[in-house]
Amino acid sequence: EAGVTQFPSHSVIEKGQTVTLRCDPISGHDNLYWYRRVMGKEIKFLLHFVKESKQDESGMPNNRFLAERTGGTYSTLKVQPAELEDSGVYFCASSQVGAQVGEQYFGPGTRLTVT
Amino acid sequence: SQQGEEDPQALSIQEGENATMNCSYKTSINNLQWYRQNSGRGLVHLILIRSNEREKHSGRLRVTLDTSKKSSSLLITASRAADTASYFCATPSGAGSYQLTFGKGTKLSVIP
Repeated sequence: EAGVTQFPSHSVIEKGQTVTLRCDPISGHDNLYWYRRVMGKEIKFLLHFVKESKQDESGMPNNRFLAERTGGTYSTLKVQPAELEDSGVYFCASSQVGAQVGEQYFGPGTRLTVT
Repeated sequence: SQQGEEDPQALSIQEGENATMNCSYKTSINNLQWYRQNSGRGLVHLILIRSNEREKHSGRLRVTLDTSKKSSSLLITASRAADTASYFCATPSGAGSYQLTFGKGTKLSVIP
């Protein structure tokens, strides 16, 4: 079974540019989550999809971040325009509906560097 | 408030020794998990312990949970160089919430 995959693995962009991160969850997992870790800080929750619906987006930092999951399969996270403080590692995770809370399977992350 | 704060922040041991990492949290939980992150890799789920459990084992891992002290510990026995990684505890943020709250992690270095 393929795990959670993320693309790209690393992105370097200039302040003000736009970047789109992609996450492909484990097949059959309706729950999809985005987290991020900025340098030296904790891993922070961003949002949670159940299929194509946003279940909880309380962790989204501001309206420069837009997450979508059209069709309930893969998800994208767009940052527009990017700021220096957006640099960090963005993780995606997925889980099955009904799974014990916490049994989330994480991808390798996308390292975003904004210069 | 900060859930899931680990200590120590960094730990360096010799191969074969045991490594113990601790985690404290602030609010009531129904479970607590430990994750590992190898350099440049994603988070790997290690073990989940429910609030009604006191101890759980998985291979060389032993996790304890003390809900009265709101703390947990992760013990890795007979450490190997491949155990070098950052270890995080995580807790659900609230009843029914799928949101995980992580601590800053413990960076473990196992010296061959």
